[in-house]
Amino acid sequence: AQRVTQPEKLLSVFKGAPVELKCNYSYSGSPELFWYVQYSRQRLQLLLRHISRESIKGFTADLNKGETSFHLKKPFAQEEDSAMYYCALFNNAGNMLTFGGGTRLMVKP
Amino acid sequence: ETGVTQSPTHLIKTRGQQVTLRCSSQSGHNTVSWYQQALGQGPQFIFQYYREEENGRGNFPPRFSGLQFPNYSSELNVNALELDDSALYLCASSLGGLEYNEQFFGPGTRLTVL
Repeated sequence: AQRVTQPEKLLSVFKGAPVELKCNYSYSGSPELFWYVQYSRQRLQLLLRHISRESIKGFTADLNKGETSFHLKKPFAQEEDSAMYYCALFNNAGNMLTFGGGTRLMVKP
Repeated sequence: ETGVTQSPTHLIKTRGQQVTLRCSSQSGHNTVSWYQQALGQGPQFIFQYYREEENGRGNFPPRFSGLQFPNYSSELNVNALELDDSALYLCASSLGGLEYNEQFFGPGTRLTVL
């Protein structure tokens, strides 16, 4: 069975500090991983997917198959980054996204 | 381009009742996925509909059922409501196919079961 774990419920940093939101997964196949974000009073939306290898809003995430991780990083946090972040894994066989429990990022001024 | 809409915004039911939640997909999308998000947790996949057929199902009992209509809008029906069914129900639409296509989420329907 596939599983996504986000060990931190809350991460609080000061503006300008580096940020790393952790995500670990278990999946027997070749994983397809995503980060979703939900800003206050907004809908859940896709932030980035690992196969695109893009940097979105300064965030990057590298898939580490050896450590089964897909951590989200940003070198300098901004106050507008404060949001709920969800790591998700796509199962092609079941057409399903499996989400982690989410991490609330708070960036303090 | 119209985004994903859901109705109602919130509702309150009692144990044992039945409920129907509705979702209108984004223009041009033919796939709708439903998720249950309990308080403090991530969304959990319920099922997906593609071209009016169920196209994948998560670990939910049969009392959770759905429909998709020719215009690709969708309904989620829950029978014999239980207290644990209290949650935010999200739908997401996408352009279906063999590969993952970005899912666009609606604002959700908050269901409270008393």
